[in-house]
Amino acid sequence: EVQLVESGGGLAQPGGSLRLSCAASGFTFSSYAMTWVRQAPGKGLEWVSSISGNGGSTNYADSVKGRFTISRDKSKNTLYLQMNSLRAEDTAVYYCAKDIVVVPAAGDGFDIWGQGTMVTVSS
Amino acid sequence: DIQVTQSPSSLSASVGDRVTITCRASHSISNYLNWYQQKPGKAPKLLIYGASSLQGGVPSRFSGSGSGTDFTLTISSLQREDFATYYCQQSSSTLFTFGPGTKVDIK
Repeated sequence: EVQLVESGGGLAQPGGSLRLSCAASGFTFSSYAMTWVRQAPGKGLEWVSSISGNGGSTNYADSVKGRFTISRDKSKNTLYLQMNSLRAEDTAVYYCAKDIVVVPAAGDGFDIWGQGTMVTVSS
Repeated sequence: DIQVTQSPSSLSASVGDRVTITCRASHSISNYLNWYQQKPGKAPKLLIYGASSLQGGVPSRFSGSGSGTDFTLTISSLQREDFATYYCQQSSSTLFTFGPGTKVDIK
């Protein structure tokens, strides 16, 4: 069964850090790009960041560029999101998703999603 | 960045109704447009990719059309399990963007 399981969410103070993880199973992890999407409470979906199958290409939304870092570990079949300098507006459910392509490009989409992990930034 | 809008923001419909949701991009995106369904408390689900290709396992009552800047998601005969929020997403630019969503609820 293809599955993504996120972990690492919780409460962080403004200016603090958190690292999210996403454990993948049921597919060849390195053959697909991976993506983080977030959803603030009661709001819509916001794409955060994507990484290519080999980890060599990354891209970020302007709202997180310079603060968040996406990475992946092939040996552990795990995707990460290191979140630094957190702000109240980063409060959201964070979903990891499997891309339908190996490198984020035109025509990409997200066909498998995890259940999400909640991040709350508050003092 | 490419902006994506949706209309309407919400609609009320009955089981059996034909429902149409529109998505518009700020620039031409060819057919690089995907549709997702999200139910409360659940992760989104990919319905349509490439503007008109049905994702595996998705019922055939869902269909997508359009190219350039204007796109449509149609549910030919609304079923109870289709009451949800629907999002379009452009994938022409790798700064991917989602539309604001259309909530479909029961009339």
